[in-house]
Amino acid sequence: NAGVTQTPKFQVLKTGQSMTLQCAQDMNHEYMSWYRQDPGMGLRLIHYSVGAGITDQGEVPNGYNVSRSTTEDFPLRLLSAAPSQTSVYFCASSYLVARAPRGTGELFFGEGSRLTVL
Amino acid sequence: DQQVKQNSPSLSVQEGRISILNCDYTNSMFDYFLWYKKYPAEGPTFLISISSIKDKNEDGRFTVFLNKSAKHLSLHIVPSQPGDSAVYFCAASPYTGTASKLTFGTGTRLQVTL
Repeated sequence: NAGVTQTPKFQVLKTGQSMTLQCAQDMNHEYMSWYRQDPGMGLRLIHYSVGAGITDQGEVPNGYNVSRSTTEDFPLRLLSAAPSQTSVYFCASSYLVARAPRGTGELFFGEGSRLTVL
Repeated sequence: DQQVKQNSPSLSVQEGRISILNCDYTNSMFDYFLWYKKYPAEGPTFLISISSIKDKNEDGRFTVFLNKSAKHLSLHIVPSQPGDSAVYFCAASPYTGTASKLTFGTGTRLQVTL
Protein backbone atom coordinates (compact mmCIF):
# COMPACT_ATOMS: atom_id res chain seq x y z
CA ASN A 1 0.00 0.00 0.00
CA ALA A 2 2.33 2.75 -1.21
CA GLY A 3 -0.28 5.54 -1.50
CA VAL A 4 1.47 8.84 -2.28
CA THR A 5 5.25 8.65 -2.44
CA GLN A 6 7.46 11.73 -2.42
CA THR A 7 11.20 11.93 -2.99
CA PRO A 8 13.53 13.19 -1.73
CA LYS A 9 12.50 13.60 1.91
CA PHE A 10 15.22 16.18 2.57
CA GLN A 11 17.17 18.46 0.25
CA VAL A 12 19.52 21.40 0.68
CA LEU A 13 20.03 23.70 -2.28
CA LYS A 14 22.02 26.83 -2.98
CA THR A 15 20.29 29.92 -4.30
CA GLY A 16 19.89 29.66 -8.06
CA GLN A 17 20.07 25.88 -8.28
CA SER A 18 17.23 23.92 -9.80
CA MET A 19 15.71 20.67 -8.68
CA THR A 20 12.67 18.44 -9.05
CA LEU A 21 10.55 17.02 -6.28
CA GLN A 22 9.05 13.72 -7.36
CA CYS A 23 5.55 12.55 -6.53
CA ALA A 24 3.89 9.29 -7.47
CA GLN A 25 0.56 7.76 -6.49
CA ASP A 26 -0.75 4.27 -7.09
CA MET A 27 -4.43 4.85 -6.33
CA ASN A 28 -5.47 5.84 -9.87
CA HIS A 29 -6.46 9.30 -8.65
CA GLU A 30 -7.30 11.87 -11.29
CA TYR A 31 -6.49 14.84 -9.09
CA MET A 32 -2.98 15.61 -7.88
CA SER A 33 -1.63 18.72 -6.19
CA TRP A 34 1.35 20.29 -4.49
CA TYR A 35 1.18 22.26 -1.25
CA ARG A 36 3.80 24.02 0.77
CA GLN A 37 3.64 24.37 4.53
CA ASP A 38 5.23 27.33 6.26
CA PRO A 39 5.01 28.36 9.93
CA GLY A 40 1.90 30.42 10.59
CA MET A 41 0.71 30.04 6.99
CA GLY A 42 -0.89 26.62 6.96
CA LEU A 43 -0.82 24.68 3.70
CA ARG A 44 -0.90 26.70 0.50
CA LEU A 45 -1.70 25.28 -2.91
CA ILE A 46 1.09 25.66 -5.49
CA HIS A 47 -0.16 23.78 -8.57
CA TYR A 48 -2.70 21.12 -9.28
CA SER A 49 -3.79 18.75 -12.02
CA VAL A 50 -7.13 17.15 -12.82
CA GLY A 51 -5.68 14.58 -15.20
CA ALA A 52 -2.81 13.71 -17.50
CA GLY A 53 -1.85 16.67 -19.66
CA ILE A 54 -3.85 19.17 -17.57
CA THR A 55 -2.30 21.45 -14.97
CA ASP A 56 -3.27 24.73 -13.38
CA GLN A 57 -1.97 27.25 -10.89
CA GLY A 58 -2.88 27.41 -7.25
CA GLU A 59 -2.42 30.18 -4.74
CA VAL A 60 1.41 30.43 -4.82
CA PRO A 61 2.67 29.20 -8.22
CA ASN A 62 5.54 31.60 -8.86
CA GLY A 63 8.95 29.95 -9.13
CA TYR A 64 7.51 26.46 -9.68
CA ASN A 65 6.65 24.39 -12.73
CA VAL A 66 4.68 21.17 -12.98
CA SER A 67 3.75 18.65 -15.64
CA ARG A 68 1.47 15.63 -15.69
CA SER A 69 2.47 13.20 -18.41
CA THR A 70 0.93 10.18 -16.65
CA THR A 71 -1.87 9.63 -14.16
CA GLU A 72 0.62 8.40 -11.56
CA ASP A 73 3.31 11.10 -11.56
CA PHE A 74 3.25 14.81 -10.79
CA PRO A 75 6.75 16.29 -10.40
CA LEU A 76 7.33 19.79 -9.05
CA ARG A 77 10.26 21.73 -10.50
CA LEU A 78 12.02 24.62 -8.87
CA LEU A 79 13.61 26.54 -11.71
CA SER A 80 15.98 28.80 -9.75
CA ALA A 81 15.75 28.20 -6.03
CA ALA A 82 15.39 31.14 -3.66
CA PRO A 83 15.57 31.24 0.16
CA SER A 84 11.84 32.10 0.19
CA GLN A 85 11.22 28.60 -1.17
CA THR A 86 12.57 27.02 2.01
CA SER A 87 9.57 25.03 3.14
CA VAL A 88 8.03 21.61 3.59
CA TYR A 89 6.35 20.43 0.41
CA PHE A 90 3.46 18.00 0.30
CA CYS A 91 2.08 16.18 -2.68
CA ALA A 92 -1.54 15.08 -2.41
CA SER A 93 -3.99 13.20 -4.59
CA SER A 94 -7.67 12.32 -4.67
CA TYR A 95 -10.49 11.20 -6.90
CA LEU A 96 -12.17 14.04 -8.74
CA VAL A 97 -15.56 12.68 -7.76
CA ALA A 98 -16.06 11.01 -4.41
CA ARG A 99 -16.20 7.24 -4.77
CA ALA A 100 -17.93 4.59 -2.71
CA PRO A 101 -17.72 3.20 -0.14
CA ARG A 102 -16.36 6.07 1.87
CA GLY A 103 -17.48 8.76 -0.53
CA THR A 104 -15.64 11.53 1.20
CA GLY A 105 -13.32 12.43 -1.68
CA GLU A 106 -10.54 13.36 0.70
CA LEU A 107 -6.98 14.22 -0.25
CA PHE A 108 -4.29 11.67 0.47
CA PHE A 109 -0.96 13.24 1.35
CA GLY A 110 2.60 12.10 0.99
CA GLU A 111 4.99 12.31 3.92
CA GLY A 112 6.50 15.59 2.80
CA SER A 113 9.80 16.87 1.43
CA ARG A 114 11.77 19.33 3.53
CA LEU A 115 13.65 21.78 1.33
CA THR A 116 16.22 24.29 2.55
CA VAL A 117 17.59 26.94 0.20
CA LEU A 118 20.75 28.66 1.38
CA ASP B 1 -6.32 37.31 2.37
CA GLN B 2 -6.88 34.25 4.55
CA GLN B 3 -10.11 32.64 3.36
CA VAL B 4 -10.03 29.94 6.03
CA LYS B 5 -9.07 31.03 9.52
CA GLN B 6 -8.20 29.13 12.65
CA ASN B 7 -7.77 31.83 15.23
CA SER B 8 -6.48 29.62 18.02
CA PRO B 9 -2.91 28.50 17.32
CA SER B 10 -2.97 26.11 20.26
CA LEU B 11 -5.31 24.37 22.67
CA SER B 12 -4.64 22.29 25.76
CA VAL B 13 -7.27 19.86 27.06
CA GLN B 14 -7.25 17.23 29.77
CA GLU B 15 -7.65 13.60 28.82
CA GLY B 16 -11.30 12.58 28.86
CA ARG B 17 -12.61 16.09 28.34
CA ILE B 18 -14.04 17.61 25.18
CA SER B 19 -11.77 19.34 22.67
CA ILE B 20 -13.39 22.01 20.52
CA LEU B 21 -11.47 23.34 17.55
CA ASN B 22 -12.92 26.26 15.63
CA CYS B 23 -12.66 27.43 12.05
CA ASP B 24 -14.11 30.42 10.19
CA TYR B 25 -14.27 31.02 6.46
CA THR B 26 -15.02 34.03 4.32
CA ASN B 27 -15.69 32.60 0.86
CA SER B 28 -19.39 31.81 0.43
CA MET B 29 -18.53 29.60 -2.57
CA PHE B 30 -17.04 26.95 -0.29
CA ASP B 31 -19.28 23.91 -0.41
CA TYR B 32 -17.37 21.11 1.28
CA PHE B 33 -15.35 21.19 4.47
CA LEU B 34 -12.79 18.79 5.85
CA TRP B 35 -10.64 18.40 8.94
CA TYR B 36 -7.14 16.98 8.77
CA LYS B 37 -4.82 15.86 11.54
CA LYS B 38 -1.06 16.13 11.29
CA TYR B 39 1.64 14.57 13.39
CA PRO B 40 5.25 15.89 13.22
CA ALA B 41 7.25 14.69 10.21
CA GLU B 42 4.16 13.12 8.61
CA GLY B 43 1.70 14.21 5.98
CA PRO B 44 -1.78 15.37 7.03
CA THR B 45 -4.38 12.62 7.30
CA PHE B 46 -8.09 12.99 6.73
CA LEU B 47 -10.32 13.01 9.78
CA ILE B 48 -13.88 13.98 8.92
CA SER B 49 -15.80 16.02 6.39
CA ILE B 50 -19.13 17.78 6.00
CA SER B 51 -21.10 18.98 3.04
CA SER B 52 -22.73 22.41 3.08
CA ILE B 53 -26.17 20.80 2.97
CA LYS B 54 -25.62 19.32 6.43
CA ASP B 55 -25.06 20.96 9.78
CA LYS B 56 -23.54 18.00 11.60
CA ASN B 57 -21.54 14.90 10.84
CA GLU B 58 -20.33 12.31 13.34
CA ASP B 59 -17.67 9.65 13.14
CA GLY B 60 -16.95 7.95 16.44
CA ARG B 61 -15.41 10.43 18.85
CA PHE B 62 -15.30 13.14 16.20
CA THR B 63 -18.18 15.45 15.31
CA VAL B 64 -18.06 18.37 12.91
CA PHE B 65 -20.64 21.14 13.11
CA LEU B 66 -21.30 23.61 10.33
CA ASN B 67 -23.07 26.96 10.74
CA LYS B 68 -23.32 28.19 7.18
CA SER B 69 -24.95 31.51 8.02
CA ALA B 70 -22.07 32.34 10.38
CA LYS B 71 -19.49 30.79 8.05
CA HIS B 72 -18.20 28.82 11.00
CA LEU B 73 -17.38 25.20 11.63
CA SER B 74 -16.09 23.36 14.63
CA LEU B 75 -14.61 19.98 15.40
CA HIS B 76 -15.53 18.29 18.67
CA ILE B 77 -13.47 15.42 20.04
CA VAL B 78 -15.09 13.51 22.88
CA PRO B 79 -13.47 12.09 24.92
CA SER B 80 -10.04 13.50 24.14
CA GLN B 81 -7.15 11.06 24.26
CA PRO B 82 -3.38 11.65 24.45
CA GLY B 83 -3.03 10.21 20.93
CA ASP B 84 -5.19 13.09 19.67
CA SER B 85 -2.31 15.49 20.34
CA ALA B 86 -1.49 16.84 16.89
CA VAL B 87 -2.00 19.86 14.65
CA TYR B 88 -5.51 20.06 13.22
CA PHE B 89 -6.19 21.80 9.93
CA CYS B 90 -9.55 22.94 8.73
CA ALA B 91 -9.96 22.96 4.94
CA ALA B 92 -12.62 24.03 2.45
CA SER B 93 -13.36 23.27 -1.18
CA PRO B 94 -15.68 24.99 -3.63
CA TYR B 95 -16.63 21.60 -5.08
CA THR B 96 -19.16 19.34 -3.44
CA GLY B 97 -17.82 16.03 -2.25
CA THR B 98 -14.29 16.43 -3.54
CA ALA B 99 -11.05 17.78 -2.19
CA SER B 100 -10.12 19.66 -5.34
CA LYS B 101 -8.47 23.04 -4.72
CA LEU B 102 -8.65 22.74 -0.95
CA THR B 103 -7.90 25.91 0.98
CA PHE B 104 -6.43 25.24 4.39
CA GLY B 105 -6.44 27.16 7.63
CA THR B 106 -3.26 27.82 9.58
CA GLY B 107 -3.84 24.97 12.01
CA THR B 108 -4.48 24.53 15.72
CA ARG B 109 -2.04 22.53 17.83
CA LEU B 110 -3.99 20.36 20.27
CA GLN B 111 -2.27 18.98 23.33
CA VAL B 112 -4.15 16.44 25.40
CA THR B 113 -2.70 16.19 28.88
CA LEU B 114 -2.97 13.35 31.34
